[in-house]
Amino acid sequence: DAKTTQPPSMDCAEGRAANLPCNHSTISGNEYVYWYRQIHSQGPQYIIHGLKNNETNEMASLIITEDRKSSTLILPHATLRDTAVYYCIVRVNSNSGYALNFGKGTSLLVTP
Amino acid sequence: GAVVSQHPSRVICKSGTSVKIECRSLDFQATTMFWYRQFPKQSLMLMATSNEGSKATYEQGVEKDKFLINHASLTLSTLTVTSAHPEDSSFYICSAPKLGTGELFFGEGSRLTVL
Repeated sequence: DAKTTQPPSMDCAEGRAANLPCNHSTISGNEYVYWYRQIHSQGPQYIIHGLKNNETNEMASLIITEDRKSSTLILPHATLRDTAVYYCIVRVNSNSGYALNFGKGTSLLVTP
Repeated sequence: GAVVSQHPSRVICKSGTSVKIECRSLDFQATTMFWYRQFPKQSLMLMATSNEGSKATYEQGVEKDKFLINHASLTLSTLTVTSAHPEDSSFYICSAPKLGTGELFFGEGSRLTVL
């Protein structure tokens, strides 16, 4: 799986958009970009994933650059409950499932 | 949505005892399940892959005789930490890909404290 680079920590004011960047310059053509988050003392929670088009769901938006070497996860209106460690992971998609290799992620602190 | 459940969520045991952690996929089948370990302020580290009906595969550096894994059915995998020591205290998390789609779901985690 391609390696990803994320800032170790970020702050965001409650109600503002949180933009979390991720670099994955060695991504292969068949690798997807996945985002998970982990709230303290809980299991990881799936947020969103994409291949090359921008994606949006009820939780977040994922913006992938045209060359696919980087992406940004956007939480449009951050709340205190969004405080968590956010992991950007690239991997091939498979019907049989592969384990995810977690990096260090970005610790997002949403402040009142 | 699909749910993966772990039990117990917290366990405290004495050094030298064995502890079993269960991972269940509640509404889907999974031929493989993945076990992770997470120490404080660190990321999740893959320990092993549990395979239904066959032996588990372990990541480098993980002792298979210490961390016994059994995947007896398409909905249940167990991790047994044998002869636990304080350094085994950690947060253990399982995940399961849904058969047919590969979507990966995570359990809530099990916090083990060895005294």
